[in-house]
Amino acid sequence: GENVEQHPSTLSVQEGDSAVIKCTYSDSASNYFPWYKQELGKGPQLIIDIRSNVGEKKDQRIAVTLNKTAKHFSLHITETQPEDSAVYFCAANITGGFKTIFGAGTRLFVKA
Amino acid sequence: NAGVTQTPKFQVLKTGQSMTLQCAQDMNHNSMYWYRQDPGMGLRLIYYSASEGTTDKGEVPNGYNVSRLNKREFSLRLESAAPSQTSVYFCASSEQTGANSPLHFGNGTRLTVT
Repeated sequence: GENVEQHPSTLSVQEGDSAVIKCTYSDSASNYFPWYKQELGKGPQLIIDIRSNVGEKKDQRIAVTLNKTAKHFSLHITETQPEDSAVYFCAANITGGFKTIFGAGTRLFVKA
Repeated sequence: NAGVTQTPKFQVLKTGQSMTLQCAQDMNHNSMYWYRQDPGMGLRLIYYSASEGTTDKGEVPNGYNVSRLNKREFSLRLESAAPSQTSVYFCASSEQTGANSPLHFGNGTRLTVT
């Protein structure tokens, strides 16, 4: 079945630095790749998503890139701030289905 | 506009007890989902309901049952709780009946089975 691998599991950066989280997926038919941010005690919230007909998407300090050939996609956060500290999940949707498969998550710490 | 509301927030059960987790959404979404979150394993789909009146199994359905009561409500039942069901449970909904629609999550129910 579909599998999504996410790295690293923990990431610590200095405030103002960039953070990069990488994911790979196994099902080449996947065509929708959302990213979710989960703060302590809350449910995950969508922060950005990308569809397979697009290679890159940017929203202020957050960008996502997609390499369909290599089945890789990445989240880039620039000028990190303490409030970016959270757990981030990548995910992939199986084409034609209702199932979103999640990576295991990355705990990001931004040190002030 | 509350989004997705889950009750209860916390629950402790003894092995063998039963309980129902409640979920309601006020966004008029067609599809609803139940996920469980365990350390190091991300979120795994238990059951989903593509539309009112339908339910289907996800990755880890064993030990659970669901009911799509109406378009707003989707409940998850544990008939005989086991320690392996200790987890954080999230309900989610999505607007479209298809794969390319973001999920909206509730704030979770933390369940401990002793």
